[in-house]
Amino acid sequence: EAGVTQFPSHSVIEKGQTVTLRCDPISGHDNLYWYRRVMGKEIKFLLHFVKESKQDESGMPNNRFLAERTGGTYSTLKVQPAELEDSGVYFCASSQPGLAGKNIQYFGAGTRLSVL
Amino acid sequence: AQSVTQLDSHVSVSEGTPVLLRCNYSSSYSPSLFWYVQHPNKGLQLLLKYTSAATLVKGINGFEAEFKKSETSFHLTKPSAHMSDAAEYFCVVTGGSGGYNKLIFGAGTRLAVHP
Repeated sequence: EAGVTQFPSHSVIEKGQTVTLRCDPISGHDNLYWYRRVMGKEIKFLLHFVKESKQDESGMPNNRFLAERTGGTYSTLKVQPAELEDSGVYFCASSQPGLAGKNIQYFGAGTRLSVL
Repeated sequence: AQSVTQLDSHVSVSEGTPVLLRCNYSSSYSPSLFWYVQHPNKGLQLLLKYTSAATLVKGINGFEAEFKKSETSFHLTKPSAHMSDAAEYFCVVTGGSGGYNKLIFGAGTRLAVHP
């Protein structure tokens, strides 16, 4: 069974440009999450999809970030326009709904974004 | 609000010696606690989880952790380190008012294993 796949693995862009990150969850997983680790900081929650619906987007830093999950399968995270402070590693995770506390999230390898 | 503190940013051990990675949590509710590991260029892998069952939790690759409510700790241990254990380890808490979907990560502990 394929795990969570993220593309690209690394992206280097200039300030002001647009970048789109993609995440393919484990097949059949309804829950999809985005997290981010900025240099030197903790991994932080960005948002949570249940199928195609945004369940919780409380961690999105500002309106330059747009996440979509059309059709409830893969998801994209677009940053437009990118700023220097957006540099970091963006992780995607997926899970199946389960009993409280048993909702194990499976993570991808992350996309390393460098904004110059 | 929930939080996690990993007490050491770097830990260095010799191969064959015990590993101790320390984690303290803060939660107003009964938390679920996890340890994840990230090897270079790999995704975060779940090592073990505590979800209010047995307080001593066994995970993969010989790791285990003990939930101590009185000390609000969830330290990760392994009796004998292997070179392949070199990685970054994250203590994670969830549950409470934020629900069980939002994971709250500690800052991470980098484990180095020397021959």
